[in-house]
Amino acid sequence: SQKIEQNSEALNIQEGKTATLTCNYTNYSPAYLQWYRQDPGRGPVFLLLIRENEKEKRKERLKVTFDTTLKQSLFHITASQPADSATYLCALGSTGGFKTIFGAGTRLFVKA
Amino acid sequence: GAGVSQSPSNKVTEKGKDVELRCDPISGHTALYWYRQRLGQGLEFLIYFQGNSAPDKSGLPSDRFSAERTGESVSTLTIQRTQQEDSAVYLCASSLVTGDGQPQHFGDGTRLSIL
Repeated sequence: SQKIEQNSEALNIQEGKTATLTCNYTNYSPAYLQWYRQDPGRGPVFLLLIRENEKEKRKERLKVTFDTTLKQSLFHITASQPADSATYLCALGSTGGFKTIFGAGTRLFVKA
Repeated sequence: GAGVSQSPSNKVTEKGKDVELRCDPISGHTALYWYRQRLGQGLEFLIYFQGNSAPDKSGLPSDRFSAERTGESVSTLTIQRTQQEDSAVYLCASSLVTGDGQPQHFGDGTRLSIL
């Protein structure tokens, strides 16, 4: 069955450093991958979309890579800030399909 | 408001009671999704609506769960004869169209607690 794996352990980093979160998947050939941010008690908020024919996408301090051979996406936050502390979810979808499969998320703590 | 609105934000009820959760999507969004999120877990797909097409109910965990949506407006998720395992946050999302990577816009969910 389709499976998405994100680090279940929280990631703790120091302010100013780069945070790198991993999303691995199996038994799936997604057409695109999305990253969402979720704060406690709130719904997820869309951050970035990357398609299968794209290797890298950037938005301000965020960078996403997508390796369809390794079946992996990496999500980077450069110059991290305490305000970046949240849970980050990856989600996969296929062209023409409506279902987006979400990972369980990785909790990020950025210490001042 | 401009975002997806869900009500109530919190619901506490006794086992065996029925509950109804409401979702107001963003105006103009044809697609609407319901998810369940248990503590510390990812989003579990429940049901999907697209315009006036028949909904995809493949994610509903049992026949105690049902959902309705009139056109492209409000949706309600109903859980009958609630069980303790139904305790979770129920999230609603809407998007402009389906597939092709359109971002989903989420409400803040209804936190359901079954005593």
